[in-house]
Amino acid sequence: DAKTTQPTSMDCAEGRAANLPCNHSTISGNEYVYWYRQIHSQGPQYIIHGLKNNETNEMASLIITEDRKSSTLILPHATLRDTAVYYCIVRAINTGTASKLTFGTGTRLQVTL
Amino acid sequence: NAGVTQTPKFRVLKTGQSMTLLCAQDMNHEYMYWYRQDPGMGLRLIHYSVGEGTTAKGEVPDGYNVSRLKKQNFLLGLESAAPSQTSVYFCASSYGRRELNTEAFFGQGTRLTVV
Repeated sequence: DAKTTQPTSMDCAEGRAANLPCNHSTISGNEYVYWYRQIHSQGPQYIIHGLKNNETNEMASLIITEDRKSSTLILPHATLRDTAVYYCIVRAINTGTASKLTFGTGTRLQVTL
Repeated sequence: NAGVTQTPKFRVLKTGQSMTLLCAQDMNHEYMYWYRQDPGMGLRLIHYSVGEGTTAKGEVPDGYNVSRLKKQNFLLGLESAAPSQTSVYFCASSYGRRELNTEAFFGQGTRLTVV
């Protein structure tokens, strides 16, 4: 699976949009971009995933560049409860083996008042 | 629907002792995983299973064994615990079929300290 690069930490004011970037310049054609977050040592929680089109769900939006070498997770109205470590993962799902999630160190998002 | 349940939540072991961590899922998932997380680091895959009766090594398998005798359960064993195995252990499960591009669900973790 391709590796990803994320900033170590980011701050965001409550109520504002949080834009978390991820670089995955070596992504392959069969690899999806997944985002998970981990709130204070709890188990990671799935947020969203996509292949090449932008995606939106009740939690967030995912914007993937046309060349698929980078993406941005957008939390439209961040709250204090969104303070967490956010992991960007690229994952091949059609490999015939377990689609393992490979976690990096993620981005620590701090939402402040 | 409990999702993924890990037992126990906390444990302190002495060096050389053995123990088994239990992971149970009620979502009929084919794939199950064991990860460990050390302070300030991301999760690292220990072992995984693509179905009942099958297991495979992940990134950091040494010192651990696993078994998947039933589809809903995935056991992680430490035969002779070492202080380097002090960590938080997370279990996860997901659908395995290629056409179901779904997410992995994680348990709440087991905090293990080896003294």
